[in-house]
Amino acid sequence: GENVEQHPSTLSVQEGDSAVIKCTYSDSASNYFPWYKQELGKGPQLIIDIRSNVGEKKDQRIAVTLNKTAKHFSLHITETQPEDSAVYFCAGDSGYSTLTFGKGTMLLVSP
Amino acid sequence: DGGITQSPKYLFRKEGQNVTLSCEQNLNHDAMYWYRQDPGQGLRLIYYSQIVNDFQKGDIAEGYSVSREKKESFPLTVTSAQKNPTAFYLCASRIQGGSYGYTFGSGTRLTVV
Repeated sequence: GENVEQHPSTLSVQEGDSAVIKCTYSDSASNYFPWYKQELGKGPQLIIDIRSNVGEKKDQRIAVTLNKTAKHFSLHITETQPEDSAVYFCAGDSGYSTLTFGKGTMLLVSP
Repeated sequence: DGGITQSPKYLFRKEGQNVTLSCEQNLNHDAMYWYRQDPGQGLRLIYYSQIVNDFQKGDIAEGYSVSREKKESFPLTVTSAQKNPTAFYLCASRIQGGSYGYTFGSGTRLTVV
C-alpha cells in the first residue's frame, strides 16, 4: 500500500517569512495529493490539492508543487502570518479506498 | 449549507461503559470514515464505509464498532473492550469514485473518567 512521509515534524518561522513542508510517497499510482490545516481542537480543513497531471498549483499565499519522478510534493506558504500557525497534514490517494496521511507538521509563526 | 456534523463535542465515559459518537453528513457522499487522533499524533483509521450496510476495518478497529444503516449516518461505538479510549475522534466523508479530498467534522473529544 501507499506510504506517505512528511517533514519536518515542527517548523518555527518569523512572521513574513516563507514556510515549506515536504512529503514523499511510495506508490507511483498515486494521482491526488491534498493538504489539510488543523487548528487546535478542530477538524482538519482542506486548503489546497493537486492532481498528478499538474506540476504546481497556487492559491493566494499558498502553493503546492509535485514532482512525480521523485515522488515528492511540497506545500509553500509565503508571507506567513500568526493565523497560519496550525498542524498541516499531507495525504496521497493511490486509488485505494482511503487517503494515506503524513504524520503532520506543527507550524508556529511568531509575530 | 452542506456539511458533516459530529456530536457531542465533548464526551465522558466511565470505565466499562460503551459510548456512541454520532456523525451525520448532508453532502450526499457515499464514503465515510472514522479516525482517532492522540495528542501530537497523526490520524489513525478506525473504520470506513463505502456504501450503506457495508464497512471495513481500518488499522486500529479493535474495541470499536460501527454501523451504516443510512447514507447520511455513520455512528461509532467505543466499547468497554477499548482499553485506552481517551482521544480526539474525527469523522470524514467524501465522494466515492475518482480522487477527492475528505470533508472532516469538527471532532468529538472523549475522556475516560
